[in-house]
Amino acid sequence: GENVEQHPSTLSVQEGDSAVIKCTYSDSASNYFPWYKQELGKRPQLIIDIRSNVGEKKDQRIAVTLNKTAKHFSLHITETQPEDSAVYFCAASNGKGGGNKLTFGTGTQLKVEL
Amino acid sequence: GAVVSQHPSRVICKSGTSVKIECRSLDFQATTMFWYRQFPKKSLMLMATSNEGSKATYEQGVEKDKFLINHASLTLSTLTVTSAHPEDSSFYICSATEGGADTEAFFGQGTRLTVV
Repeated sequence: GENVEQHPSTLSVQEGDSAVIKCTYSDSASNYFPWYKQELGKRPQLIIDIRSNVGEKKDQRIAVTLNKTAKHFSLHITETQPEDSAVYFCAASNGKGGGNKLTFGTGTQLKVEL
Repeated sequence: GAVVSQHPSRVICKSGTSVKIECRSLDFQATTMFWYRQFPKKSLMLMATSNEGSKATYEQGVEKDKFLINHASLTLSTLTVTSAHPEDSSFYICSATEGGADTEAFFGQGTRLTVV
């Protein structure tokens, strides 16, 4: 099955700096790659996603890049703010089995310091 | 976006009892829902795929007789933790999608289960 690895596990940045989180996946058939932000005790919230026919996608301060050949994708957050502090998860899906069966990365605890 | 509601948000039960968790898609129909388990400071681990009108598909290592899943309608899936033990204490969360496999998955708010 799919295996998703995520690095780093913790990341501290100063407010205004950029943050980059990287993920690799194993299943070459995976075609959907969402990123979720989860605050303590809350549900994961989708912040951005990318499909395999696109190499890069941007939404204001957030961008995601995908390298299908290398099987890795990255989340980039620019001009970080304290409210960006949370756990971020990458995920991958190959569309099999119906619905959207996601395999999650191990998570990155992002702390934005003042 | 679409709304997925999960109930209860917190439950405490005694060892040996069973607990039912509900997951509802409020404004869309979901033929497939997913149940995840999340330990503190850990990732979401898929437990099973819930299929409307048919048996759930369990991930390797998940006891189907312990974690009973029923998907009786296009808007409701239930997870029953049977004969709960303290090691079953965890955060359980469901998800559903409106469309196909590459569409946004919406999550319920999660259920914090504590078995005492």
